Amino acid sequence: GAVVSQHPSRVICKSGTSVKIECRSLDFQATTMFWYRQFPKQSLMLMATSNEGSKATYEQGVEKDKFLINHASLTLSTLTVTSAHPEDSSFYICSAVLLTGSSTDTQYFGPGTRLTVL
Amino acid sequence: AQRVTQPEKLLSVFKGAPVELKCNYSYSGSPELFWYVQYSRQRLQLLLRHISRESIKGFTADLNKGETSFHLKKPFAQEEDSAMYYCALSGTSYGKLTFGQGTILTVHP
Repeated sequence: GAVVSQHPSRVICKSGTSVKIECRSLDFQATTMFWYRQFPKQSLMLMATSNEGSKATYEQGVEKDKFLINHASLTLSTLTVTSAHPEDSSFYICSAVLLTGSSTDTQYFGPGTRLTVL
Repeated sequence: AQRVTQPEKLLSVFKGAPVELKCNYSYSGSPELFWYVQYSRQRLQLLLRHISRESIKGFTADLNKGETSFHLKKPFAQEEDSAMYYCALSGTSYGKLTFGQGTILTVHP
């Protein structure tokens, strides 16, 4: 099946610094990538939708200047958490999909990135 | 607005017993419903989708529009079924998923 990777898998940073997380589709081209946030023992919360070559669409309540998303190619999307604070500590998960409009379009998920802000 | 509710956070059964994970949704249009599974230390993966009407690993789920439900069932649970299960809905914006809170299923030997 299709594989999505995330890098890094784990990152610890100091408050005020910026952190970049990469999401790559390894064996398929993804027209769309999604970024989720997951708090401990809670559900996935969609943060933004990233389409190749265009600006990301953010969900209500998600600060676009705080969470910068770049979808530079059909296989790579990056999420940059700017000026990170302890409350940004979370598990960030991306997913990738090649949207064809078919009912069989499937989102493939990355393994997630654990961000800890000290 | 769309919403997915999984009323049970934890569900425990013994091996060989039937299991049903509940999922209710709220959506005004015609939804696409999915079940995702996350095994320990693994990534989230699609288990099944209602439109395929398939059985995966012995699991089935039927969309009941009258009751706005999409419960996941398996007649005989196995220990390897122990995992976190998420019900998800895709509505107006194609591809965007709304997830339920998840149910941790534990199958005891």
